[in-house]
Amino acid sequence: EVQLVESGGVVVQPGGSLRLSCAASGFTFDDYAMHWVRQAPGKGLEWVSLISWDGGSTYYADSVKGRFTISRDNSKNSLYLQMNSLRAEDTALYYCAKDAIGGYSYTHFDYWGQGTLVTVSS
Amino acid sequence: EIVLTQSPGTLSLSPGERATLSCRASQSVSSSYLAWYQQKPGQAPRLLIYGASSRATGIPDRFSGSGSGTDFTLTISRLEPEDFAVYYCQQYGSSPPGVTFGGGTKVEIK
Repeated sequence: EVQLVESGGVVVQPGGSLRLSCAASGFTFDDYAMHWVRQAPGKGLEWVSLISWDGGSTYYADSVKGRFTISRDNSKNSLYLQMNSLRAEDTALYYCAKDAIGGYSYTHFDYWGQGTLVTVSS
Repeated sequence: EIVLTQSPGTLSLSPGERATLSCRASQSVSSSYLAWYQQKPGQAPRLLIYGASSRATGIPDRFSGSGSGTDFTLTISRLEPEDFAVYYCQQYGSSPPGVTFGGGTKVEIK
């Protein structure tokens, strides 16, 4: 059974930093690209970032480029999101999601975690 | 960047009725990269349709997807009580690389 379990969400002050983690199990982690997707309270889904299966390619939404860094440790079946210079508008539930297609193809998300809540507030 | 516009914002229907949800793209989207998700309150999104028209594993056949180019549709043939939820379309684009979601359509009980 595929499982994605996010952690690390807390209340942080504007300008602060935070690292989210996602522990993956039930599939061959290093075969698939992984994504972070966020959802502000009462709002829709917003894609944040993706990382290729080997970590060699990373892409970001314009809203987080230069502030967030996605990474992975395939030896630990784990995905990370380092979040710096946090703003109030980064407040959201952050989901990690597995890309459905292996290799360097990116299409859609077949599994999602339950999310971890990040609140940016003074 | 491709923008996905979903309509209507809210659809008020009764169980047993047919639901037709629209997703319009600002530029042509490859059908291979168009997906639909269902999200219920307090839950993570669930994949319904990928490749514009292929049902994901375990998805009932009352859900169907269609369309190409800039216009895509999710149809629920006969609404069941568990189908009242928010639905999102999503596309992956390669220039620049990234993912976009539509704003969502809420299907509510009339």
